[in-house]
Amino acid sequence: EPEVTQTPSHQVTQMGQEVILRCVPISNHLYFYWYRQILGQKVEFLVSFYNNEISEKSEIFDDQFSVERPDGSNFTLKIRSTKLEDSAMYFCASSPQLAGEFNEQFFGPGTRLTVL
Amino acid sequence: AQSVTQLGSHVSVSEGALVLLRCNYSSSVPPYLFWYVQYPNQGLQLLLKYTSAATLVKGINGFEAEFKKSETSFHLTKPSAHMSDAAEYFCAVSDNNQGGKLIFGQGTELSVKP
Repeated sequence: EPEVTQTPSHQVTQMGQEVILRCVPISNHLYFYWYRQILGQKVEFLVSFYNNEISEKSEIFDDQFSVERPDGSNFTLKIRSTKLEDSAMYFCASSPQLAGEFNEQFFGPGTRLTVL
Repeated sequence: AQSVTQLGSHVSVSEGALVLLRCNYSSSVPPYLFWYVQYPNQGLQLLLKYTSAATLVKGINGFEAEFKKSETSFHLTKPSAHMSDAAEYFCAVSDNNQGGKLIFGQGTELSVKP
């Protein structure tokens, strides 16, 4: 069964460093998402991406964040200068359709980012 | 704006007992509702979804949920808990007006006692 994959599973970085989190969505999906979950808190939407551009972004997704689909298979989330409060589990998701009753999003296993 | 509230951050049941996890939503349009499960150190897995076809929705692993518009609820139930059901459960609503993002509740951790 196709699945969303994410690498690395755990990333440790120093504050101020750049990190890139990688995701490979399911191959025939068109809509891509990043969410994050700070330890002990709920899953929060960061950004959605369709047709090589951002569809929507949350207020969390400030200028330090960017997304890219560089080669038609990978979907990346970059944090330019990490802060302590960026420590969280980051989930990538993809779906074959936009909103509607068939909008089932498939989630990857997550990347745990630890900023020291 | 749409939102989801899950009552109870932690629910504990005995093996074989009824599982009831509560979810209430707020939406100005007919909602698309989802329950996801997160096992330790894993990603989110879809349990079931409400898509207006039927108010009682059956999902995987014996779970089901009933959509009640009058109560704006979408509670998750399972008649008989199993030890393997221990996990975090998230209720979510789809934002149909924009990019289809999911808005999650705060999650309920289910513990199952032998």
